[in-house]
Amino acid sequence: GQQLNQSPQSMFIQEGEDVSMNCTSSSIFNTWLWYKQDPGEGPVLLIALYKAGELTSNGRLTAQFGITRKDSFLNISASIPSDVGIYFCAGRSTGANSKLTFGKGITLSVRP
Amino acid sequence: KAGVTQTPRYLIKTRGQQVTLSCSPISGHRSVSWYQQTPGQGLQFLFEYFSETQRNKGNFPGRFSGRQFSNSRSEMNVSTLELGDSALYLCASSRQGTQHQHNSPLHFGNGTRLTVT
Repeated sequence: GQQLNQSPQSMFIQEGEDVSMNCTSSSIFNTWLWYKQDPGEGPVLLIALYKAGELTSNGRLTAQFGITRKDSFLNISASIPSDVGIYFCAGRSTGANSKLTFGKGITLSVRP
Repeated sequence: KAGVTQTPRYLIKTRGQQVTLSCSPISGHRSVSWYQQTPGQGLQFLFEYFSETQRNKGNFPGRFSGRQFSNSRSEMNVSTLELGDSALYLCASSRQGTQHQHNSPLHFGNGTRLTVT
């Protein structure tokens, strides 16, 4: 089945630093989504990407849809303490009935 | 606009019992998906409903079932609970319906935390 790989499992950065997260797949996707989950809450959509090569920003967050359609990355610039959480990538392949597949997430810690 | 609402937030059951979880999607959203989240396995897809029909199903045993009502609200049921069913159960809705809308992203509720003892 389709699998999304996110690594490492955890990242530790200093407040103010930039951080980049990568997500790779063995399959081609036509949609890439990035979500953030805070403790005790459901994942919240950060950025949605629908076209190969697309680069989209949402405040300090920037994400890109890889040209090969098999990867995506998320950049967070000038990190702040509230960026702490679990970041999930998700991809959907072609077909109206295809399901969304999630990576296992990266837990981000920000040291003040 | 209200988000996805899941009830109850917390539930404690014993092995062998059955449980029903409820989800109200965002107004206007016709697709509802269910995911199981555990620390070791991440988000695992259970099933997706659209217009009261199950459109997609993950690799879970038949003890896990669901349904969708005409107002798009959905329920999932787990029968004969096992300890390993302890997890956060997340519901998500989207506009996804026609081929034109198939790229609409999922919007999640805050989940139901199920503990099986």
